[in-house]
Amino acid sequence: GAGVSQSPSNKVTEKGKDVELRCDPISGHTALYWYRQSLGQGLEFLIYFQGNSAPDKSGLPSDRFSAERTGGSVSTLTIQRTQQEDSAVYLCASSQLIKSYEQYFGPGTRLTVT
Amino acid sequence: AQSVAQPEDQVNVAEGNPLTVKCTYSVSGNPYLFWYVQYPNRGLQFLLKYITGDNLVKGSYGFEAEFNKSQTSFHLKKPSALVSDSALYFCAVSPQTGANNLFFGTGTRLTVIP
Repeated sequence: GAGVSQSPSNKVTEKGKDVELRCDPISGHTALYWYRQSLGQGLEFLIYFQGNSAPDKSGLPSDRFSAERTGGSVSTLTIQRTQQEDSAVYLCASSQLIKSYEQYFGPGTRLTVT
Repeated sequence: AQSVAQPEDQVNVAEGNPLTVKCTYSVSGNPYLFWYVQYPNRGLQFLLKYITGDNLVKGSYGFEAEFNKSQTSFHLKKPSALVSDSALYFCAVSPQTGANNLFFGTGTRLTVIP
C-alpha cells in the first residue's frame, strides 16, 4: 500500500517568509509525528498527534512553529518568519499504536532558508 | 529525561566480516527500542524493534539486536556485512508511557569496504 507522503520534496524560501509543509500519513494510522533532521545531527521530535486528542507540542522549538491535523489524516507544519537555522529536513511519520509501535517515515521535505 | 547515545559516528568493516553498531539509552521506566536505517537520498526505514520478550530480536536484511537491560544497551549486529549495508543507522528509544515519540541518537555511518 501507499506509504507516508510529504510535499514539497524541496523548498527554498527567503528569510522572513512563511512556509507550509504537508504530510499524508498511511491510511488508518491514528498517530502522526513531525521530526526535524538538521545537518550532522540526529532527528529532533517536534509534535505528535493521536486521534482526536490534543497534540503534544513539547518539541516545537519556538512559537513560530505550529501544526495542525485535519480530519485525523493530513497534517500541515507551518513555520512563520523563517530563519536560517530552520534549514533542515522535516520528516513526517505515522504509526498504528494498537497493532505495532514502529513509525513509518515519509521521504521528508528539505527546507532551505536563504 | 530520555536520551540515546551512539558513541561511534563512523564504523568501517570489511565485506563478509561481522558488524556491530553500538547504542545505549536512558529512559524512565521500561523502553521500547528501535533501529532505523537511512540510505542516501531516501527516507528512514524501520529495521527492528524490541518491545518485550526475548532479548534478541531479528529484523530486516539479516540484522539483529540484543536488548541488555543491565547495560542499557541495544547494539545492532549482523554476522556478515554486505557492501549494500553501507548507510546511516539510527537507534531510537520511546518510553512505554506517554506519546511514544521517538528519541533518536545522532546516527552512525556504516561503511562496508569491498
